[in-house]
Amino acid sequence: DTEVTQTPKHLVMGMTNKKSLKCEQHMGHRAMYWYKQKAKKPPELMFVYSYEKLSINESVPSRFSPECPNSSLLNLHLHALQPEDSALYLCASSDSGTANYGYTFGSGTRLTVV
Amino acid sequence: TQLLEQSPQFLSIQEGENLTVYCNSSSVFSSLQWYRQEPGEGPVLLVTVVTGGEVKKLKRLTFQFGDARKDSSLHITAAQPGDTGLYLCAGAHSGTYKYIFGTGTRLKVLA
Repeated sequence: DTEVTQTPKHLVMGMTNKKSLKCEQHMGHRAMYWYKQKAKKPPELMFVYSYEKLSINESVPSRFSPECPNSSLLNLHLHALQPEDSALYLCASSDSGTANYGYTFGSGTRLTVV
Repeated sequence: TQLLEQSPQFLSIQEGENLTVYCNSSSVFSSLQWYRQEPGEGPVLLVTVVTGGEVKKLKRLTFQFGDARKDSSLHITAAQPGDTGLYLCAGAHSGTYKYIFGTGTRLKVLA
């Protein structure tokens, strides 16, 4: 299995809702990442997990809460989001703790906040 | 702020034409990757280059890493509509999670 699987593919949520994005990989990768991508822009790093521990938080607002239950799973819990948080949310994983050999990305969750 | 500037930003060409996309920085990278991203999908890794001056070929795509490991180019020969997408370069720094994405080149190949 050489894929990163993200669910759901599309999500529409109100500003008072609580929802979660899920990411799964079975490649044995020990680093997992959350990225946010706005239209026509490159991905922006949000969080890095290494060996199931949060190692980087790129000053992301607390309405985004990551969780890594085990080495194969990564969640992103969403609460009280704003319309400007609408974007494509990408999960990625890598074999090593660095990006020297690139990432495997999931196909993303298209999030719309109404 | 480290930047990876890509040029051109947009490119619209006819099927069969050749093109080159450039990725430039003032920083030295331990490796550099190229990705292609289609609308609504995640980026797909095309290649990793590690050694200065390295050239890698992937069918009609040729990738080169600059001698000083600060820049890279992607050349596509005889472009096809299936090459349409957003091309992103990304640079890695050894031993860190620091990973810089380029500004992106949006390519459209017309049949």
